[in-house]
Amino acid sequence: EAGVVQSPRYKIIEKKQPVAFWCNPISGHNTLYWYLQNLGQGPELLIRYENEEAVDDSQLPKDRFSAERLKGVDSTLKIQPAELGDSAVYLCASSSQGQGNEQFFGPGTRLTVL
Amino acid sequence: GNSVTQMEGPVTLSEEAFLTINCTYTATGYPSLFWYVQYPGEGLQLLLKATKADDKGSNKGFEATYRKETTSFHLEKGSVQVSDSAVYFCALSDRGSSNTGKLIFGQGTTLQVKP
Repeated sequence: EAGVVQSPRYKIIEKKQPVAFWCNPISGHNTLYWYLQNLGQGPELLIRYENEEAVDDSQLPKDRFSAERLKGVDSTLKIQPAELGDSAVYLCASSSQGQGNEQFFGPGTRLTVL
Repeated sequence: GNSVTQMEGPVTLSEEAFLTINCTYTATGYPSLFWYVQYPGEGLQLLLKATKADDKGSNKGFEATYRKETTSFHLEKGSVQVSDSAVYFCALSDRGSSNTGKLIFGQGTTLQVKP
């Protein structure tokens, strides 16, 4: 079974530029999560989707961050414009209600903003 | 709000030593508890979990017991190997009204095992 796929794995951009990350969850997983992981810290939830509906986006900085999950499968997280403080690893995870709350994580996208 | 606190690292051990990584939590209700491991250059992997008080999760020689009275979920292994070198995260599920709520993570503990 394929795991959670994320791309790109690494991204370097200059501040004020836009950037987008893509995630394809495990087939059949209806719940998708985007987490932010700062260096030396644990991941923190940005947004959670149940199918195509964003059910928890309370931690998403909506002035510059946006996300979508069209058709309830893969998802895109966008930052526009990026700031120096956005340098971090962006993790995508997915889960299925049939497996309780076990979340499966992708390898992450490491963003560096110069 | 709900939170997780882990012992600070890094933890440096010799091969075959006994490992304990402390984890305590603050939560309302009865969350599930997890240990995730992140090997260098890889994504987070679930190591073990426990869903109710007194449950013991175990995997790959690691184990942790859900202690409601002390709000703890300490990770232990009797004999570590060099290949266990990684960052370990304790986490709890914040279900809210859904069974697929977010995970709240501790800050992570780096384990380095020397031959």
